[in-house]
Amino acid sequence: AQSVTQLDSQVPVFEEAPVELRCNYSSSVSVYLFWYVQYPNQGLQLLLKYLSGSTLVESINGFEAEFNKSQTSFHLRKPSVHISDTAEYFCAVSEANNLFFGTGTRLTIIP
Amino acid sequence: NAGVTQTPKFQVLKTGQSMTLQCAQDMNHEYMSWYRQDPGMGLRLIHYSVGAGITDQGEVPNGYNVSRSTTEDFPLRLLSAAPSQTSVYFCASAFSVAEKLFFGSGTQLSVL
Repeated sequence: AQSVTQLDSQVPVFEEAPVELRCNYSSSVSVYLFWYVQYPNQGLQLLLKYLSGSTLVESINGFEAEFNKSQTSFHLRKPSVHISDTAEYFCAVSEANNLFFGTGTRLTIIP
Repeated sequence: NAGVTQTPKFQVLKTGQSMTLQCAQDMNHEYMSWYRQDPGMGLRLIHYSVGAGITDQGEVPNGYNVSRSTTEDFPLRLLSAAPSQTSVYFCASAFSVAEKLFFGSGTQLSVL
């Protein structure tokens, strides 16, 4: 089974500073990769996904993630964060009919 | 279009009681799944279904049963609740596991 690692459980960042949330997965077989976001007291929402093609994928609110097959990574980045980005972010990897989630990274924006 | 509807939002059980968490979607999704979310452990897949009449186990299936008699509904049954099942439960659906998962609003379950 897949193992999804998000090494940083909490990341504090100053407003308008850049951020990178790290995600590594265990298997190099063909997988689909996702980032989900959970705002306080809500369910998860899809932020972006990689299925195939260009290794750089973008979301509508300025986040981007790059698929790196050799490093089995799918790190999430944003060049300038806002208060509204405060949330918990989950990396997920699908294999067969299972979707495996990481343990999550809580992003806190400091005004 | 209601999306994914989960009920109840909150539930308190005593050890040994049984209950069913309801999940319904109106998007004609074939794939449905149940997750539990625990602090520091992310979301873990309990059971999933790829269509009516087809279910399978996820990472943590023990103590839970599911059935999928219709495309719309995917209830999760706790047969004999244990304190270790205290968690937040999410139902999710999608056209397939490679597509965007739509999540319900969650059920906070406490087992005393």
